Amino acid sequence: EADIYQTPRYLVIGTGKKITLECSQTMGHDKMYWYQQDPGMELHLIHYSYGVNSTEKGDLSSESTVSRIRTEHFPLTLESARPSHTSQYLCASRDRANYGYTFGSGTRLTVV
Amino acid sequence: AQKITQTQPGMFVQEKEAVTLDCTYDTSDPSYGLFWYKQPSSGEMIFLIYQGSYDQQNATEGRYSLNFQKARKSANLVISASQLGDSAMYFCAMRGNNNAGNMLTFGGGTRLMVKP
Repeated sequence: EADIYQTPRYLVIGTGKKITLECSQTMGHDKMYWYQQDPGMELHLIHYSYGVNSTEKGDLSSESTVSRIRTEHFPLTLESARPSHTSQYLCASRDRANYGYTFGSGTRLTVV
Repeated sequence: AQKITQTQPGMFVQEKEAVTLDCTYDTSDPSYGLFWYKQPSSGEMIFLIYQGSYDQQNATEGRYSLNFQKARKSANLVISASQLGDSAMYFCAMRGNNNAGNMLTFGGGTRLMVKP
């Protein structure tokens, strides 16, 4: 049973469109992360958050932006999608006291 | 900086046999955690096993065990009695305590294929 939810699961969208990938967790975790993964490749951190009103950029430069207005919600936005944004985007969260990370099911984005 | 290296892009194993997936790491943190995740073709990341850098014993979880050799900076995953459902990508990852956000750093992955 998933405690972290990502929607949509799959998205095909035209170049230039604005999109928002949703990520919500019900565990009250402070830290949340967005990773980008090309097919069969490693995951790269693009954004993370320590908590409400905290957002930071990760190791991999990304044109996307994130917000953290509520603890449970960490959406990722692309203002103008391009074919180079085609990838899988995985959201994760972590409890302050627990070593574990919980991942969502991912959003597979295709920009045509 | 942290780095995870998985040198086996792909591996085959016969059903019911054991298989070892290699992982080496590099970090300057004295305290860190090592993780293995399974990623089936559906894309989700499934947590398998965790080893803390100060743990004295190797971690085990059912058919999964972690062969932790701290001096060699290796954390190999051993899967015993392979099943067809084990066919997937496997990622080794590390969490350092000094990196921003305590993020996970991932290796490039190993694609495991179990033959019937």
